[in-house]
Amino acid sequence: EVQLVQSGAEVKKPGESLKISCQTSGYSFTNYWIAWVRQMPGKGLEWMGIIYPGDSDTRYSPSFRGQVTISADKSISTAYLQWTSLKVSDTAMYYCAKLAIFGVANNWFDPWGQGTLVTVSS
Amino acid sequence: QSVLTQPPSVSGAPGQRVTISCTGSSSNIGTGYNVHWYQQLPGTAPKLLIYNNNNRPSGVPDRFSGSNSGTSASLAITGLQAEDEADYYCQSYDNSLSESVFGGGTKLTVL
Repeated sequence: EVQLVQSGAEVKKPGESLKISCQTSGYSFTNYWIAWVRQMPGKGLEWMGIIYPGDSDTRYSPSFRGQVTISADKSISTAYLQWTSLKVSDTAMYYCAKLAIFGVANNWFDPWGQGTLVTVSS
Repeated sequence: QSVLTQPPSVSGAPGQRVTISCTGSSSNIGTGYNVHWYQQLPGTAPKLLIYNNNNRPSGVPDRFSGSNSGTSASLAITGLQAEDEADYYCQSYDNSLSESVFGGGTKLTVL
């Protein structure tokens, strides 16, 4: 069974750094893209970016480029999303999701991690 | 403003049929990129409901179906049940943005 298990909820202050994780199992981690998706409180889903763990090819939505860093550690089949200086506006639920088939276009997200709630408040 | 446009809300009584539209453009649905649908129950992560326009993953009831035409797609739910009350999102790929895009989501209320 393919599983994506994310790290626990975080409460941080503005300006702090953070790295959240998405541990995968049940499939070949290096052969499928992993995506990160943001959901702000009461809002919809936003595609942040993707990483191909096989060669660390990473693509970002323009809205998130320069604001976050997506990475992966092949040795432990885990993807990461990190911030160097959090803002109050980063408060949201963050989901990782596996792209279902090879390739970027015409692909879908399945399965999803359970989500990591990040709260940034002074 | 989402690239794919969905109605904010729809509602229906138990047993009825409802549809949720997803309107795109010539750079996504209109150019032939497939549409996928997700169901997000309250307080949970999104779950794949329909992939490649009209395919259901195993375990998804055949009450859920998808279709598309031109620059739009639709999700239909027949025999509405209380457990269907959730948010529904469409997703496709946009070749002018070179990224996957989501609709803004539709809240389904079962009356």
